[in-house]
Amino acid sequence: GENVEQHPSTLSVQEGDSAVIKCTYSDSASNYFPWYKQELGKRPQLIIDIRSNVGEKKDQRIAVTLNKTAKHFSLHITETQPEDSAVYFCAAGMAGGSYIPTFGRGTSLIVHP
Amino acid sequence: DSGVTQTPKHLITATGQRVTLRCSPRSGDLSVYWYQQSLDQGLQFLIQYYNGEERAKGNILERFSAQQFPDLHSELNLSSLELGDSALYFCASSPHPDRVGEQYFGPGTRLTVT
Repeated sequence: GENVEQHPSTLSVQEGDSAVIKCTYSDSASNYFPWYKQELGKRPQLIIDIRSNVGEKKDQRIAVTLNKTAKHFSLHITETQPEDSAVYFCAAGMAGGSYIPTFGRGTSLIVHP
Repeated sequence: DSGVTQTPKHLITATGQRVTLRCSPRSGDLSVYWYQQSLDQGLQFLIQYYNGEERAKGNILERFSAQQFPDLHSELNLSSLELGDSALYFCASSPHPDRVGEQYFGPGTRLTVT
């Protein structure tokens, strides 16, 4: 089955800095890679996703890059703000048909004012 | 508010017992997903239903079962509970299985097994 590794487990940055979280996956059949943000005690919320036919996707301060050959994808957050502090999860799976996502263990991002 | 509702919010029960968690999807969504989030295992996909039929199965134990009813609400049944079943259980919904990017999570049910 799919195996997703996520690094780092904790990331501490100053407000205004950039943050990068990396994930690797094992199953080359995976074609859908979402990123979720989960604030303490709240539900996961999809913040950005990418499909395997695209190398990069941007949404304001957030971007995701995908390297299919190396089987890794990354979340980039620029100009971080204290409200970006949360746990971020990556996932990988095959969308279409039976979608069975496998999640990374999460990265706790702390943005210091 | 995602529009997905889950009841109850909290549940405390003893080992060996059985519980039922309930989920109502967003209006118009036909697909329901169940997830378990624990400190040990992280976030795990359990099972997916689409319009009443099981669509995909993940790491769901045999002691757990689920179903989706004609009104599209779903229930997750957990039996012979063990301490390790203590976790947050999330339900999510999307309009269709192919529209996984439109998956919205409910607030979760926190299960504590003592």
